[in-house]
Amino acid sequence: GAVVSQHPSRVICKSGTSVKIECRSLDFQATTMFWYRQFPKQSLMLMATSNEGSKATYEQGVEKDKFLINHASLTLSTLTVTSAHPEDSSFYICSARGREIRAFFGQGTRLTVV
Amino acid sequence: QKEVEQNSGPLSVPEGAIASLNCTYSDRGSQSFFWYRQYSGKSPELIMSIYSNGDKEDGRFTAQLNKASQYVSLLIRDSQPSDSATYLCAVNGWNSGAGSYQLTFGKGTKLSVIP
Repeated sequence: GAVVSQHPSRVICKSGTSVKIECRSLDFQATTMFWYRQFPKQSLMLMATSNEGSKATYEQGVEKDKFLINHASLTLSTLTVTSAHPEDSSFYICSARGREIRAFFGQGTRLTVV
Repeated sequence: QKEVEQNSGPLSVPEGAIASLNCTYSDRGSQSFFWYRQYSGKSPELIMSIYSNGDKEDGRFTAQLNKASQYVSLLIRDSQPSDSATYLCAVNGWNSGAGSYQLTFGKGTKLSVIP
């Protein structure tokens, strides 16, 4: 299957700081990328969808000024959590889709805000 | 609001038995259906996809789809302790706002295979 690399796998940051998470498609062109958040013992919740070269479309309840998404190229999307607070601590997962209907997941990033 | 429903479990089966996981979905226009396996603290891993009515087999896994009943299931034969995980049902549908297809996930069913 296709490879999607997400970095970092774990990050701990202080409250009020910003954190950037990268998602790269290594062997295909990702025309669409998805960002999910998963709290403990809960399912994946879609945060936003981004098509290459376009602004991201955010799901209801997700603050676009807090979760900045950039999808400037066909192989890279970034999610920046700005002014992070402890309630933003979660497992963030990206997913990328190219020509196929299937989407491939990154390894996920465990964010802890202290 | 597109919905995907799964029993949260936990579903416990003895080693070697058949595990049966079920999923229903609300969007009648959905065309693609997926089962993902997620181990604790890890990202989901695609294990099966199915697009047409009927059964699709891959090794110990069989996906079943009934579009008329809006129902999709996953059977795991000869269950192993290593199959213990949360299984997520996902349904592909068009999101006009985002201008793309996107997956809607169920909450997942936790499976425990008892040695």
